[in-house]
Amino acid sequence: GQNIDQPTEMTATEGAIVQINCTYQTSGFNGLFWYQQHAGEAPTFLSYNVLDGLEEKGRFSSFLSRSKGYSYLLLKELQMKDSASYLCAVRDGDYKLSFGAGTTVTVRA
Amino acid sequence: IAGITQAPTSQILAAGRRMTLRCTQDMRHNAMYWYRQDLGLGLRLIHYSNTAGTTGKGEVPDGYSVSRANTDDFPLTLASAVPSQTSVYFCASSQLAGERTDTQYFGPGTRLTVL
Repeated sequence: GQNIDQPTEMTATEGAIVQINCTYQTSGFNGLFWYQQHAGEAPTFLSYNVLDGLEEKGRFSSFLSRSKGYSYLLLKELQMKDSASYLCAVRDGDYKLSFGAGTTVTVRA
Repeated sequence: IAGITQAPTSQILAAGRRMTLRCTQDMRHNAMYWYRQDLGLGLRLIHYSNTAGTTGKGEVPDGYSVSRANTDDFPLTLASAVPSQTSVYFCASSQLAGERTDTQYFGPGTRLTVL
């Protein structure tokens, strides 16, 4: 199986920046995904990394280091609507997606 | 709006009963998946189908079965429900499993409680 670790909870203030780390160990690697999931809703796709480096999409950025088995999701200019769980998922050598348990981010006013 | 639909939205079921969760997508995606989500454990793959007519086992397949008679539908059946199958079930689909950039999109989920 795969081993994907991310913090359980994080709290930040509106307008601030939060970085959610994800470390992984997999048999083979075919990409890393970040999903956002609001309470009681479905996960929605945020970002995808397969090469080392930073991918930026508006207020959200995702970074990958394959040699370190490490990724982070950076949320800038936090808004109240960003309060959600953020799921790190890794596609392994068999193209199966394994998910971390998720990081619940709470944005305070 | 195109996407994935799941039914029912929620269900309370007596242990030992048979239950089928329905999933339909209209994006003509080749691959479909069933996950369960439990607190503290994240999403775990139950079964998958890379294309119509084929299915495969995921991480936690015991007690569940699936079929893929056509591209659009991927029902999940619990033959004899047990309380440990209480969970939120998500169906997902993707264009082409086996491609590095392939992205999975999720349905709204079914909340199942087995008593």
